[in-house]
Amino acid sequence: GAVVSQHPSRVICKSGTSVKIECRSLDFQATTMFWYRQFPKQSLMLMATSNEGSKATYEQGVEKDKFLINHASLTLSTLTVTSAHPEDSSFYICSANLNYGYTFGSGTRLTVV
Amino acid sequence: LAKTTQPISMDSYEGQEVNITCSHNNIATNDYITWYQQFPSQGPRFIIQGYKTKVTNEVASLFIPADRKSSTLSLPRVSLSDTAVYYCLVGDSGYSTLTFGKGTMLLVSP
Repeated sequence: GAVVSQHPSRVICKSGTSVKIECRSLDFQATTMFWYRQFPKQSLMLMATSNEGSKATYEQGVEKDKFLINHASLTLSTLTVTSAHPEDSSFYICSANLNYGYTFGSGTRLTVV
Repeated sequence: LAKTTQPISMDSYEGQEVNITCSHNNIATNDYITWYQQFPSQGPRFIIQGYKTKVTNEVASLFIPADRKSSTLSLPRVSLSDTAVYYCLVGDSGYSTLTFGKGTMLLVSP
């Protein structure tokens, strides 16, 4: 079946640094990918919709200058958390839309210290 | 997108059948019902999708009444490894966006 590969699975960074998370569609092309954030014991919250070749669409309350999204090819979308702070520590998940629904990456656990 | 309501948590024992019901009173004509499973620190995994009546695959069954205002995910003979959060989502097959509700935390005990 269709697979979305997300990397890294876990990252620890210092406050003030930037972290890039990659999301790749392995056996299909994804013109649109989605980025979610999930805090402990909470549900997934959509952050932004990544569109190949155009600007991402951000949900209300999500800072586009802090969470940079690049979707330069049909198989790769990246999320860069810039100037990370401890409150950005969370579980980040990407997904892509298929005919029957969504397929999700395995997630990235970001810890900012 | 139609809002969904599920029980926050459910408990079961190994070998039992578990039924999780989801309410979606505002479901639209073009909406499908999809269930996902999520383990801790993993992305959600597709379980089953349906539009009406009954759908069955190798892991679950999905029952949808005629008015489609609710749906029931049925897991036969659960095991410890079925302990997870289960999300019910409603939307059209194109799914321009996907809104997750709180999900149901299923705990399976020995």
